[in-house]
Amino acid sequence: GAGVSQSPSNKVTEKGKDVELRCDPISGHTALYWYRQSLGQGLEFLIYFQGNSAPDKSGLPSDRFSAERTGGSVSTLTIQRTQQEDSAVYLCASRVIASGTDTQYFGPGTRLTVL
Amino acid sequence: ELKVEQNPLFLSMQEGKNYTIYCNYSTTSDRLYWYRQDPGKSLESLFVLLSNGAVKQEGRLMASLDTKARLSTLHITAAVHDLSATYFCAVDRGSQGNLIFGKGTKLSVKP
Repeated sequence: GAGVSQSPSNKVTEKGKDVELRCDPISGHTALYWYRQSLGQGLEFLIYFQGNSAPDKSGLPSDRFSAERTGGSVSTLTIQRTQQEDSAVYLCASRVIASGTDTQYFGPGTRLTVL
Repeated sequence: ELKVEQNPLFLSMQEGKNYTIYCNYSTTSDRLYWYRQDPGKSLESLFVLLSNGAVKQEGRLMASLDTKARLSTLHITAAVHDLSATYFCAVDRGSQGNLIFGKGTKLSVKP
């Protein structure tokens, strides 16, 4: 079956521009997470969606970052007025909880470069 | 604040040798995860440890969890080159799956 997919795989943008990153979770997974990975900060949690509940935005680094999840499936992470420190790999994960296991499956990531 | 510390951060091993990677975390949690990341790739789930004393094994890798000591170990037996990768442990911040990751252990297995 299909895993988590993300697009674009690479994005180069100029400082000050807005970008949108997309995540398609595994079908049926109700929980969706965004993380970012950078050399300086490692892997950081950004935001979490669970079903129709209000998202947990506690990891978003500034108000330039926002995310939405439409129809309980696809999610879009938007970064406004990008800065060079936003350069990182943005990873999306969806989660399944079953008997004896609780696993987050990660997508391939979007590598964002802000010039 | 929940902190997750891995050691060592870099590990160079010879094929056939055994070694252990340690993951310490600072607050109570009964969910611990191990992931593997190859260069330029995403994270691959290796183990999910959901209770104190949990032990899981897959091939040459074995993971264990001691929630009282707030410690998980990833033991490598008779290392082979294919195990070369970066290994991350992660702890669930509050059972909602918001994972806090360690800095990763970059493992290099040399012939």
